[in-house]
Amino acid sequence: AQKITQTQPGMFVQEKEAVTLDCTYDTSDPSYGLFWYKQPSSGEMIFLIYQGSYDQQNATEGRYSLNFQKARKSANLVISASQLGDSAMYFCAMSADNYGQNFVFGPGTRLSVLP
Amino acid sequence: DAGVIQSPRHEVTEMGQEVTLRCKPISGHDYLFWYRQTMMRGLELLIYFNNNVPIDDSGMPEDRFSAKMPNASFSTLKIQPSEPRDSAVYFCASSLWGRDRASGYTFGSGTRLTVV
Repeated sequence: AQKITQTQPGMFVQEKEAVTLDCTYDTSDPSYGLFWYKQPSSGEMIFLIYQGSYDQQNATEGRYSLNFQKARKSANLVISASQLGDSAMYFCAMSADNYGQNFVFGPGTRLSVLP
Repeated sequence: DAGVIQSPRHEVTEMGQEVTLRCKPISGHDYLFWYRQTMMRGLELLIYFNNNVPIDDSGMPEDRFSAKMPNASFSTLKIQPSEPRDSAVYFCASSLWGRDRASGYTFGSGTRLTVV
């Protein structure tokens, strides 16, 4: 079975500072993908970044980067230079190849960016 | 592309009534997912389809819930009879397996269901 854990229910960060949102996962499948989504108060689910289990380098997308530590089974999201618009819920998710497209989410972290 | 389209955006119904939620996936996507989001339980995967065939419905809470995908461009999630505890936001998402997984799974805007 697959499981995603996000241990930070809520986080605060000062505007323009960097913040790390934690994500750990559990799977026995050697091939899997890890994703981060943002859900602002408007409710839509916005895809941010993806990391494949065999990718050699950590993924980056603009101000988002994924700190992937395979041995520790962690996939933390780093947001640099936080903006007020980054205030939202952030979900870590995974899809393991042997589970087809069974795409499971963690409980989420609510990030609040302070002016 | 118009993205994943869900309807209605909001639905208010009385307990005991039948509710049908609709989803149009992105053209060409071969996987379709239904999720339910509540404050208490977070995002739960209810069921997913591959090429219109249900693959895993183990997340469907009970027999009152059913989902169909009669063709590649349309899916429904039906609740009959509805109960107040079914109140939630229901998301539909689609993806294309084996190609550009890095682009993620695309979600619809969701249907906010309130059962009174």
